[in-house]
Amino acid sequence: QKEVEQNSGPLSVPEGAIASLNCTYSDRGSQSFFWYRQYSGKSPELIMSIYSNGDKEDGRFTAQLNKASQYVSLLIRDSQPSDSATYLCAVRDSNYQLIWGAGTKLIIKP
Amino acid sequence: DAGITQSPRHKVTETGTPVTLRCHQTENHRYMYWYRQDPGHGLRLIHYSYGVKDTDKGEVSDGYSVSRSKTEDFLLTLESATSSQTSVYFCAISQSTGQREQYFGPGTRLTVT
Repeated sequence: QKEVEQNSGPLSVPEGAIASLNCTYSDRGSQSFFWYRQYSGKSPELIMSIYSNGDKEDGRFTAQLNKASQYVSLLIRDSQPSDSATYLCAVRDSNYQLIWGAGTKLIIKP
Repeated sequence: DAGITQSPRHKVTETGTPVTLRCHQTENHRYMYWYRQDPGHGLRLIHYSYGVKDTDKGEVSDGYSVSRSKTEDFLLTLESATSSQTSVYFCAISQSTGQREQYFGPGTRLTVT
């Protein structure tokens, strides 16, 4: 059974601080990794994708991938109340299907 | 936003009745997916399509069927709805199954009483 694990949270972070979200996966053949944001009652929205080991930055967001340790993380700098949402990690497995984590609920405290 | 719509957006139905959910895209993407999302679970793939009339089962396909007669439309049918199929259903599209991202429709909240 291929798995993607995330801490369900909630993760509470003060406004302006760095929020760090983590995800581990079981399929060593995975090649593509995605972070989605989902507001309550809304659909998932893609915020970052990463395919190679290392860091990828996009504005306040940084995705980090370590294939040897099978984890991917998302850092959100200068956290804003509008960042409060559930963050979903998705991993494309060796059969080209997306396997989803259950999500981490992030709360940014003003 | 990707041009994806789902209908209906909300539906309440009784156990044993058939239900069809529709996903419509204007992006001309080849791949379309149906997921369900339940509390405590990640998104779970029900069925997907890799072209007109080409579909395959996902992780939780029992009790569901799909059809795709046109590139833009992907239908999900619950032949005889059960309470365990109460969920939020999302349609997604992608250009390929390679590194391409998936983009989601607004979702359909289905309640089976």
